[in-house]
Amino acid sequence: NAGVTQTPKFQVLKTGQSMTLQCAQDMNHEYMSWYRQDPGMGLRLIHYSVGAGITDQGEVPNGYNVSRSTTEDFPLRLLSAAPSQTSVYFCASGNGYEQFFGPGTRLTVL
Amino acid sequence: KQEVTQIPAALSVPEGENLVLNCSFTDSAIYNLQWFRQDPGKGLTSLLLIQSSQREQTSGRLNASLDKSSGRSTLYIAASQPGDSATYLCAAGGGSQGNLIFGKGTKLSVKP
Repeated sequence: NAGVTQTPKFQVLKTGQSMTLQCAQDMNHEYMSWYRQDPGMGLRLIHYSVGAGITDQGEVPNGYNVSRSTTEDFPLRLLSAAPSQTSVYFCASGNGYEQFFGPGTRLTVL
Repeated sequence: KQEVTQIPAALSVPEGENLVLNCSFTDSAIYNLQWFRQDPGKGLTSLLLIQSSQREQTSGRLNASLDKSSGRSTLYIAASQPGDSATYLCAAGGGSQGNLIFGKGTKLSVKP
């Protein structure tokens, strides 16, 4: 099993550009989520999904969209990137008990 | 609102020492508590998961305890090694949906 995979590993954007961070898992987990990690702030929940077709907002959802069309994939879309979205983004999937994290995407917005 | 605190923020110990990392949470109605390890520039690796009905979990040299009534969890590392150097994060699970609230971590350095 590959576990949780994320692409790309690194990305640089200009302010106002849009992009999609990809996340996939092969463990057949219903629960998936996105976190951002910032120095001094820890990890904060952006959006989560409890199954295909079901998504909800976390603590810091503004500026991000998600959708869940399949159990395996949970992409995170930045609609109009801002410097405040410079961060490391982690995707996670869970089986209702334990959560497993991907390797992260380091995003810089200039 | 659940808040998770980890003390100390950083810890340096000589190799071979036993050590304890602390985690406290404000809302005792947690679903579970999970300890993670994060190496620089890497993702999170799950170390131990304690369900709300459990008191402790063990894996090798690691032992995690949970006391819901006092809002505290500890991660005990026995006979520390330089390879244990990393940031350790605890996260409280707030419900069956699985959303985690993280502490800011303890950065551990084990000196040879």
